[in-house]
Amino acid sequence: DGGITQSPKYLFRKEGQNVTLSCEQNLNHDAMYWYRQDPGQGLRLIYYSQIVNDFQKGDIAEGYSVSREKKESFPLTVTSAQKNPTAFYLCASSFERQGVYEQYFGPGTRLTVT
Amino acid sequence: QKEVEQNSGPLSVPEGAIASLNCTYSDRGSQSFFWYRQYSGKSPELIMSIYSNGDKEDGRFTAQLNKASQYVSLLIRDSQPSDSATYLCAVTPNFGNEKLTFGTGTRLTIIP
Repeated sequence: DGGITQSPKYLFRKEGQNVTLSCEQNLNHDAMYWYRQDPGQGLRLIYYSQIVNDFQKGDIAEGYSVSREKKESFPLTVTSAQKNPTAFYLCASSFERQGVYEQYFGPGTRLTVT
Repeated sequence: QKEVEQNSGPLSVPEGAIASLNCTYSDRGSQSFFWYRQYSGKSPELIMSIYSNGDKEDGRFTAQLNKASQYVSLLIRDSQPSDSATYLCAVTPNFGNEKLTFGTGTRLTIIP
């Protein structure tokens, strides 16, 4: 089965703790992305990566970190420096076809920090 | 001005009617346009993409693009209760750019 997996589906953490969200894809896509979604807001880009060992900050990278050691994997760490970490986190991947990137999303991880 | 604007709704449409969802964007150079459907509590699902002016049809869905007026719309014919969801419009600034800018979405409810 080809697709994007994110784990866990729900995650609960205490304030002040770092937490790592997993994202794996077996679609052989080059590019991967992390977004967060808050109620009533659109998706906001946190980080993205076009190739292994390279990634760029999105619009709201502060308080987050990523790595891209393998093409299939793009984990996101939510650090204690992130002021409002409770949100729905979405991972996506895409491939380039004739200059266009179509993004496909994983099922998401709902993070609650108290 | 928001880069991608959508009416948040809710938009209520009787079952069997045509649902019309609209999206405007501010960057005149935008080249690629996408519609995602998101059910409550779930992740977005890509349902349509359009790159050229005019209409693109896929089953009950039709995407319409007017670059001169900077709007893109999604029509859903023969609306079904299963079409009740939030529809997100997304735009990329130019070909070869992998970043998407999303609108906040329009919540659509199909009334049986």
